[in-house]
Amino acid sequence: GESVGLHLPTLSVQEGDNSIINCAYSNSASDYFIWYKQESGKGPQFIIDIRSNMDKRQGQRVTVLLNKTVKHLSLQIAATQPGDSAVYFCAEKERGRALTFGSGTRLQVQP
Amino acid sequence: KAGVTQTPRYLIKTRGQQVTLSCSPISGHRSVSWYQQTPGQGLQFLFEYFSETQRNKGNFPGRFSGRQFSNSRSEMNVSTLELGDSALYLCASRGGGPTDTQYFGPGTRLTVL
Repeated sequence: GESVGLHLPTLSVQEGDNSIINCAYSNSASDYFIWYKQESGKGPQFIIDIRSNMDKRQGQRVTVLLNKTVKHLSLQIAATQPGDSAVYFCAEKERGRALTFGSGTRLQVQP
Repeated sequence: KAGVTQTPRYLIKTRGQQVTLSCSPISGHRSVSWYQQTPGQGLQFLFEYFSETQRNKGNFPGRFSGRQFSNSRSEMNVSTLELGDSALYLCASRGGGPTDTQYFGPGTRLTVL
């Protein structure tokens, strides 16, 4: 498959464990944040988003936490499965501007 | 609904040539954005089009250009290709509001020899 990133930080977890992927963003004016998952050979796939007026949002097996004070975003995946193995990107957006992506984290799920 | 489609999926060109990539957004989406993805630089924003007008532009040389048609389909063009233009080019569409979710296509893998 296509290589998304050769030197990405990697998080390795056991199947069934919970995963936490962290992201620091830089623009204090950003008011919208998204997590994407990218598997080899595919485009980024939307996972979950959160607006700056919230600090937590839950989806199916995923939770995003936003700490605006320290400009930190995290993605929690419950009961991680082999199919969750991918590269995860956070993205931030300021109104009127384009999305800015983080460098990504590779999640490896060990069976 | 069909997702974002991009053609071609793979392309091989030589230095100095030019290339045109195509993107069809999700039906009803009026905004199309283009990104370049490389192992070294990650995902970098090229430009965004909304209703046939360029709304945002990233920090790329003028060799990179784009356009959007009245049916929201978009094309991007790269002229005078360089080896460093080898990348995965991703197109994403969204409804057009400031926080509408952006959905990506599978990308076009461009290799410049």
